[in-house]
Amino acid sequence: DTAVSQTPKYLVTQMGNDKSIKCEQNLGHDTMYWYKQDSKKFLKIMFSYNNKELIINETVPNRFSPKSPDKAHLNLHINSLELGDSAVYFCASSLRSRGYEQYFGPGTRLTVT
Amino acid sequence: GENVEQHPSTLSVQEGDSAVIKCTYSDSASNYFPWYKQELGKGPQLIIDIRSNVGEKKDQRIAVTLNKTAKHFSLHITETQPEDSAVYFCAARTPRAAGNKLTFGGGTRVLVKP
Repeated sequence: DTAVSQTPKYLVTQMGNDKSIKCEQNLGHDTMYWYKQDSKKFLKIMFSYNNKELIINETVPNRFSPKSPDKAHLNLHINSLELGDSAVYFCASSLRSRGYEQYFGPGTRLTVT
Repeated sequence: GENVEQHPSTLSVQEGDSAVIKCTYSDSASNYFPWYKQELGKGPQLIIDIRSNVGEKKDQRIAVTLNKTAKHFSLHITETQPEDSAVYFCAARTPRAAGNKLTFGGGTRVLVKP
């Protein structure tokens, strides 16, 4: 029943590894987002896709690469993980015609050791 | 770009009292202001929003007010209950930003004491 789902919920990995986080929404939305929430709870957008087209790309290291196979899925791949990548990553989605209303997934807590 | 400031960062209230969280924004073109509630271990949940052509909106115990001249908006929670304890975020969207980008405030941790 979850409208926006993410896997995994927790991810613990070592520095230098490559990992992926998956996101799926069943709301019929056409726009999806990735946000990063740091230890101080600050929420910042990283990427946004509309119908598989990248429309927002904030100042994010090239090690982060989003991939959208279709409008219901937006995955985040991270290469060469660093300690500073530890955070909670949230996926969100919206309908472009009602694009203001974004709905968030439960988050993926990434810990890099 | 847009900048959103949120105050206070923490708020402790007695059950039944009211809670008020205030946000200011920098871009006068911003036209949409949502509020999100984030419970422990969960994603932010949209609880109420207001658009720039409206000054006030109410939904049961929560209300939001917008002052476009002063560029600030507030969340009001009345008759607070323990389940209102959470982190609340305000956000603003400006048409100048691509792709429905929301800029978030820093969050307010609300604790409702029974």
